[in-house]
Amino acid sequence: EAGVAQSPRYKIIEKRQSVAFWCNPISGHATLYWYQQILGQGPKLLIQFQNNGVVDDSQLPKDRFSAERLKGVDSTLKIQPAKLEDSAVYLCASSPSLGNEQFFGPGTRLTVL
Amino acid sequence: AQSVTQPDIHITVSEGASLELRCNYSYGATPYLFWYVQSPGQGLQLLLKYFSGDTLVQGIKGFEAEFKRSQSSFNLRKPSVHWSDAAEYFCAVGAVLTGGGNKLTFGTGTQLKVEL
Repeated sequence: EAGVAQSPRYKIIEKRQSVAFWCNPISGHATLYWYQQILGQGPKLLIQFQNNGVVDDSQLPKDRFSAERLKGVDSTLKIQPAKLEDSAVYLCASSPSLGNEQFFGPGTRLTVL
Repeated sequence: AQSVTQPDIHITVSEGASLELRCNYSYGATPYLFWYVQSPGQGLQLLLKYFSGDTLVQGIKGFEAEFKRSQSSFNLRKPSVHWSDAAEYFCAVGAVLTGGGNKLTFGTGTQLKVEL
């Protein structure tokens, strides 16, 4: 069974630029999560989708971050414009349904200069 | 709101020695509890989980954890550590949200170093 795929693995941009991350969950998983993991901290949930609907985006900085999950499969997370404090690893996870174990992708390491 | 405390930022043990990583949680109802491991450049891998039932949970790679409601703890243990266990370990509490959805709250992690 293929795991959660994310791309790119690494991205370096300058502040005020835009960036997008892509996630392909495990086939058949209805729930998809985006986390932000700042160095030295645990992952923090940004947004959660159930199929293509948003379940929880209370910690998503909506003035600069956006996410979508078209057709209930792949998802993209965008930052526009980026700030220095956005430097982090962005993790995507999926689970078969709400409340079940989450399976994590390898993450995208973003550096904002 | 739920929270997780991992009081040890770094722990060093000798290969073959026993290990215990501490985790304390705060949550108003019966929690779902997890331990994940993260190797450098990798995503998080689930070691074990507690949803209900037996309070001693067995996981992968020889790890186990014990849920103690009276102490609000979910400590991770391994009787004999291998050099390949060096990684960062995260405890997490999961909560089902009103109106649907669930939410994982992670601790800040414990970095494990294994001395040969």
